[in-house]
Amino acid sequence: QVQLVESGGGMVQPGTSLRLSCAASAFTFSSDAMHWVRQAPGEGLEWVAFISQDGTRKYYADSVKGRFTISRDDPKNTLYLQMSSLRAEDTAVYYCAKDRRDTWSYDYWGQGTLVAVSS
Amino acid sequence: QSALTQPASVSGSPGQSITISCTGTTSDIGAYNHVSWYQHHPDRAPRLIIYQVSNRPSGVSNRFSASKSGSTASLTISGLQAEDEADYYCNSFTTSDTWVFGGGTKLTVL
Repeated sequence: QVQLVESGGGMVQPGTSLRLSCAASAFTFSSDAMHWVRQAPGEGLEWVAFISQDGTRKYYADSVKGRFTISRDDPKNTLYLQMSSLRAEDTAVYYCAKDRRDTWSYDYWGQGTLVAVSS
Repeated sequence: QSALTQPASVSGSPGQSITISCTGTTSDIGAYNHVSWYQHHPDRAPRLIIYQVSNRPSGVSNRFSASKSGSTASLTISGLQAEDEADYYCNSFTTSDTWVFGGGTKLTVL
């Protein structure tokens, strides 16, 4: 069964950096594009970033562009989200999600990791 | 990248049908057939229930159906069951090579 396990969340101060990881298993990670999606407390889902299966295309939400970087390490079956210049409004549960090929949708999700930005 | 517009809440009794609307623009829902829907129970991972406007992944009940007209997409759940109580989100790819979610709709089964 496809499994996605996020890690790296925690409580940090505004202006600092954090790197999230998403360990993938039970599918050919290198063949699939991936996404990060977040949910702030009491709010809805917000798409954050996309990386193509070969890593050449990366897209970001305007709210994180220039501050967040998505990347992947195929030999390690791991997706990353490097977050810098963190703000209080970045506080959220961050989910990694597998792209369902050729459908522009997300067919498997992790359980999420909480990032809290507070002074 | 404004969020797609969904009603904040809908409700229905067991066995009834409900429909959730999702309104976008000609830059997202109106531009492509790349609309998907997700079911999200608290403390669980979101679940894909519809992709490409009206297609159900294997394992999703045929009580879930969806469609699109212009820049508005709709999700219908028929034969409501208690387990359907959850938050529902629409999502669309956009002409800016980004994705956008709706604000979410809380479904209450009375």
